[in-house]
Amino acid sequence: QSVLTQPPSVSAAPGQKVTISCSGSSSNIGNNYVSWYQHLPGTAPKLLIYDNNKRPSGIPDRFSGSKSGTSATLGITGLQTGDEADYYCGTWDSSLSAYVFGTGTKVTVL
Amino acid sequence: QLQLQESGPGLVKPSETLSLTCTVSGGSISVGSYYWGWIRQPPGKGLEWIASMFYSASTYYNPSLKSRVTMSVDPSTNQFSLKLSSVTAADTAVYSCVHGDGSFYSPFYFDFWGQGTLVTVSS
Repeated sequence: QSVLTQPPSVSAAPGQKVTISCSGSSSNIGNNYVSWYQHLPGTAPKLLIYDNNKRPSGIPDRFSGSKSGTSATLGITGLQTGDEADYYCGTWDSSLSAYVFGTGTKVTVL
Repeated sequence: QLQLQESGPGLVKPSETLSLTCTVSGGSISVGSYYWGWIRQPPGKGLEWIASMFYSASTYYNPSLKSRVTMSVDPSTNQFSLKLSSVTAADTAVYSCVHGDGSFYSPFYFDFWGQGTLVTVSS
């Protein structure tokens, strides 16, 4: 059972915005960097956001990350059909001495 | 561009040891202070971190797997490997090797992933 909680699913129409929350605690999100990953079926997960809010080269600015206290949020604007995927947050948990992933959120473009 | 490729048996019998190798190309495994590691995803479930090695320094293992996992690096072949002993059906998953960045004390994120290889535990 993951220590990071995400909503199972979110959906919106093309062009709209979705946000995905990732809720943790002081031992993980509260005191460590958060990263976000996009996982399309049959492909390798892709790093979207690192160090809470930074985008790797090649990731469009439609994707954004933020962190406040023990929660983090991934935002996707201008939703496209190609954004349909599973999204995971991840961070180090200092109490567990383990890297932990969120429960995952499926994004559906209506 | 860094590329990682997993290799190893796709079928392992219960109670035996799962062994996987990750071949790195496009960069040297022994250059820089980065993390090399393994992550898995059981069918229909989420991502689970297995282990990360901060080259020539520390290795971190998932506490729930620590007693059964060993990770090693071979700079001469630019490969690193994973061994998971006493496997059961619960270890059936897609196993991915990864490259990451972070501090001496922990990985922060994983920026390069292998395609993943399905390992099924069954007799």
